[in-house]
Amino acid sequence: GAVVSQHPSWVICKSGTSVKIECRSLDFQATTMFWYRQFPKQSLMLMATSNEGSKATYEQGVEKDKFLINHASLTLSTLTVTSAHPEDSSFYICSALSGGGTDTQYFGPGTRLTVL
Amino acid sequence: DAKTTQPTSMDCAEGRAANLPCNHSTISGNEYVYWYRQIHSQGPQYIIHGLKNNETNEMASLIITEDRKSSTLILPHATLRDTAVYYCIVSPGGNNAGNMLTFGGGTRLMVKP
Repeated sequence: GAVVSQHPSWVICKSGTSVKIECRSLDFQATTMFWYRQFPKQSLMLMATSNEGSKATYEQGVEKDKFLINHASLTLSTLTVTSAHPEDSSFYICSALSGGGTDTQYFGPGTRLTVL
Repeated sequence: DAKTTQPTSMDCAEGRAANLPCNHSTISGNEYVYWYRQIHSQGPQYIIHGLKNNETNEMASLIITEDRKSSTLILPHATLRDTAVYYCIVSPGGNNAGNMLTFGGGTRLMVKP
């Protein structure tokens, strides 16, 4: 199956700093990637849809200036959490949409962010 | 809002078949039924998807009713490693930005020895 990686797998940072999370599709090209957030004991919530070469589309309630998304190539999307605060602590998961007729989203392993 | 209804939790004996139901009575004609599972502290894993025909792969079988208002995911011989939260999701097909997945609460499957 298609493989999606994320880096880092976990990160601890101080309040006010910025954190960048990378999402890569390793064996396929993805024009569309998605970013989700999952709080403890809750389901995944879609944050934004990232399209290669264009601006991301954010879900209602997600601050685009706080969660910067860049999808500069067909295999890489990045999420930068700017000026992180403790309430941003969460499990961030990306997915990449495969094409070629299968139209399936494959998920990365997730990044656990802890903001002190 | 999630467009599917699943039981909150289920138990299954190791080695037996696990049958996970899902109701999606408002499914549209162009929407597929996708199944994913999430093992604790990991990203969701794709299992299978279908439109109207039954589907089978190396992981599971998907049975979709003729009216497409419900489906069942079958794990033929459950193992302890199949313990996870299973999500049933309906979503349009097609390689476009509209193909987003809305996760509901899922079914927590506990496989017991």
